[in-house]
Amino acid sequence: GAVVSQHPSRVICKSGTSVKIECRSLDFQATTMFWYRQFPKKSLMLMATSNEGSKATYEQGVEKDKFLINHASLTLSTLTVTSAHPEDSSFYICSARTGKDEQFFGPGTRLTVL
Amino acid sequence: GNSVTQMEGPVTLSEEAFLTINCTYTATGYPSLFWYVQYPGEGLQLLLKATKADDKGSNKGFEATYRKETTSFHLEKGSVQVSDSAVYFCALRSNQAGTALIFGKGTTLSVSS
Repeated sequence: GAVVSQHPSRVICKSGTSVKIECRSLDFQATTMFWYRQFPKKSLMLMATSNEGSKATYEQGVEKDKFLINHASLTLSTLTVTSAHPEDSSFYICSARTGKDEQFFGPGTRLTVL
Repeated sequence: GNSVTQMEGPVTLSEEAFLTINCTYTATGYPSLFWYVQYPGEGLQLLLKATKADDKGSNKGFEATYRKETTSFHLEKGSVQVSDSAVYFCALRSNQAGTALIFGKGTTLSVSS
């Protein structure tokens, strides 16, 4: 299947700093990428849908000014957690959609905010 | 809105036991249904899917049948192995092109030898 990578796999930061997470589709072009957040023992919560060259569409309750999403190319989307706080600590997973409308997932990024 | 409910885990089984993980959904129209698996330290992988009523998805000995009358997509395997230990997610996607997957809460399966 298609490969999606995320970087970094783990990040620890101080409260108040910003963290950028990259999501790349390695062997296909993805016009649409999705960002999910996974809480301990809970499901993946869809945060936003990212379309190349346009603004992301955020799900209800997700702060767009806090979670900045950029989809500058057909193989790269970034999620920036601005002014991170301990409650933002979580596992963030991206997913990229192929031209055949299949969805492939990255391995996730563990964010810990101290 | 659309939602997925799956049985709470963890599910603990001995090798070669029969596995059922229940999944029901709420959706308008005719969604596609999926089971994803997340092995320790790895990303989500598609296990199987079904796109219309009465379809049966199967892969690696796992099966699930799309039951519209009961809005269910239960996952089954006749004989589990230790290597099947993972978290299993039931998911749906509406039939609108480009929409995201909506997931259940996940069920942890632990198989011992």
